[in-house]
Amino acid sequence: AQKITQTQPGMFVQEKEAVTLDCTYDTSDPSYGLFWYKQPSSGEMIFLIYQGSYDQQNATEGRYSLNFQKARKSANLVISASQLGDSAMYFCAMREGDTGGFKTIFGAGTRLFVKA
Amino acid sequence: GAVVSQHPSWVICKSGTSVKIECRSLDFQATTMFWYRQFPKQSLMLMATSNEGSKATYEQGVEKDKFLINHASLTLSTLTVTSAHPEDSSFYICSARPLGGPSTDTQYFGPGTRLTVL
Repeated sequence: AQKITQTQPGMFVQEKEAVTLDCTYDTSDPSYGLFWYKQPSSGEMIFLIYQGSYDQQNATEGRYSLNFQKARKSANLVISASQLGDSAMYFCAMREGDTGGFKTIFGAGTRLFVKA
Repeated sequence: GAVVSQHPSWVICKSGTSVKIECRSLDFQATTMFWYRQFPKQSLMLMATSNEGSKATYEQGVEKDKFLINHASLTLSTLTVTSAHPEDSSFYICSARPLGGPSTDTQYFGPGTRLTVL
């Protein structure tokens, strides 16, 4: 069963505008972590932001914020003031449990195109 | 910041040969390293989890005899693709989790190795 779902294969956003990338997840583990990574065309995976399942507040890192809705099992990434350099593939990922392997699974990804 | 290197960054080999890919954590010790493969325009698929000094744990559907993983030290894990075939052509990415880090720690990714089997 698919545990991480990203329903937007591609998204377009105008430079300087905000964009939301959707991510829903499925787990029965009460303890889990959610991550967003950026993968530019060079292939490197760049960590953007982390949200723990017990965190009370939504995570923020500069222009990135995570809209965490636990009851709906969604963890959408919001990028504010988009820049041309934000054009890349974005992956949502989940790690279940705090111990035992630290295994992380990834969603299918969303390709973001920032228009000038 | 934590840096993970991979070597080689790209490799082309003939069908039937074996290829070894190295993953090193340069400025931290990693108790656990992970190996992923990524086909073009697709997501990362976890192949195996590698723990220092013990056998790797392979994901379902991954042939352990074909993808040999060795985690000989806290800073080095190797993936050997044995008897490579064209369908093994892919982007292989490793990641490492710092030793003793909190559960909020992300894993740090290497830059990837692009394997092309002719």
